[in-house]
Amino acid sequence: DAGVIQSPRHEVTEMGQEVTLRCKPISGHNSLFWYRQTMMRGLELLIYFNNNVPIDDSGMPEDRFSAKMPNASFSTLKIQPSEPRDSAVYFCASNENGRETQYFGPGTRLLVL
Amino acid sequence: KQEVTQIPAALSVPEGENLVLNCSFTDSAIYNLQWFRQDPGKGLTSLLLIQSSQREQTSGRLNASLDKSSGRSTLYIAASQPGDSATYLCAVLTSGTYKYIFGTGTRLKVLA
Repeated sequence: DAGVIQSPRHEVTEMGQEVTLRCKPISGHNSLFWYRQTMMRGLELLIYFNNNVPIDDSGMPEDRFSAKMPNASFSTLKIQPSEPRDSAVYFCASNENGRETQYFGPGTRLLVL
Repeated sequence: KQEVTQIPAALSVPEGENLVLNCSFTDSAIYNLQWFRQDPGKGLTSLLLIQSSQREQTSGRLNASLDKSSGRSTLYIAASQPGDSATYLCAVLTSGTYKYIFGTGTRLKVLA
């Protein structure tokens, strides 16, 4: 298996622009997680999907952030409008049932100028 | 609210040393605990997962222990190698939730 796939790997954008991050989980995994990692706050869970349904979005910082999972093999995290404080590395992870070993993607390094 | 702390924040050791990384958590009602490795610019790789009913798990030169009552876990690395250089994070899953809480990590450097 190719593992969790994320795109783009790097994104540089200007404040106010819309940013869309993409994730393809490992085939057969029914749980998907979006995380954000910064030096100041470490690794934080943004949202968790199970069987394509958002279960816990309490970590989504503001209404500017939204996430979707239209099918079992694809998820997006959108920031609109983006702000400099959104600069971070965004990780997607998946697993088989939500509570076991998580498999992380390589991350998307976002810089908002 | 679950809080996870890792000490030390950074560690530098000569090759061949055995070492221990520490993780402490405030709420002992956990479902499981995972240790991850993160290389610079890369994602996280799960090393060991310990269920709440277990005391330890081993994989090769790695051994992780769990003491729920004291809110502690340790990751023991035997005969360290330069390739072990990375940041090690522990993550705790509190019972009744699906949200892993991560520590801030220990940055390990093994000198050749």
